[in-house]
Amino acid sequence: GQSLEQPSEVTAVEGAIVQINCTYQTSGFYGLSWYQQHDGGAPTFLSYNALDGLEETGRFSSFLSRSDSYGYLLLQELQMKDSASYFCAVRDDSGGYQKVTFGIGTKLQVIP
Amino acid sequence: GAVVSQHPSRVICKSGTSVKIECRSLDFQATTMFWYRQFPKQSLMLMATSNEGSKATYEQGVEKDKFLINHASLTLSTLTVTSAHPEDSSFYICSARDLASGGESSYNEQFFGPGTRLTVL
Repeated sequence: GQSLEQPSEVTAVEGAIVQINCTYQTSGFYGLSWYQQHDGGAPTFLSYNALDGLEETGRFSSFLSRSDSYGYLLLQELQMKDSASYFCAVRDDSGGYQKVTFGIGTKLQVIP
Repeated sequence: GAVVSQHPSRVICKSGTSVKIECRSLDFQATTMFWYRQFPKQSLMLMATSNEGSKATYEQGVEKDKFLINHASLTLSTLTVTSAHPEDSSFYICSARDLASGGESSYNEQFFGPGTRLTVL
């Protein structure tokens, strides 16, 4: 099976930078992705890393280290609207077929 | 961009009744759709993978006779919660992959529907 660990809650100040870490255990790993979900809404795709390194998309960046089974999401120039839950998700075929498994989610609160 | 709709957005039903939830990909074809359940303040739990024209693949612990999935076309998958009970009350979300997208990241980018809030009294 798979397991993912990420902090349950993070609080950061508007304009600051915050990093949300995710560690995982799985076999047949393909990649790590990040999703954002506002309260009552559906998840929206943010990023995907299949290879080691940093991927940057605007204010958001995502990093992966396959050897450490570790990744993070970096949010810069935080805005109030960034307050949401952020899920890391592992794509693997440990069950004999490809699927995506989500972590518990990190609730980010941005304060003025 | 890829849009996925769900209907209904909210449903309240009596215990013992069946509820059907529709998931549609509006501007793309999806050979594979996924059904998730999310309890308050918890993660998305994959229930099943729905493949067009074939039987769905259910995750361990999900009763396939209780949660009936039909993927009749490349744009429509339905989830029917049969004989619903209060413990089935949850947020049900579907997602779909765009068949036409290519590349390493195409599988992983799932487009989610807005979700269906089911309350069983």
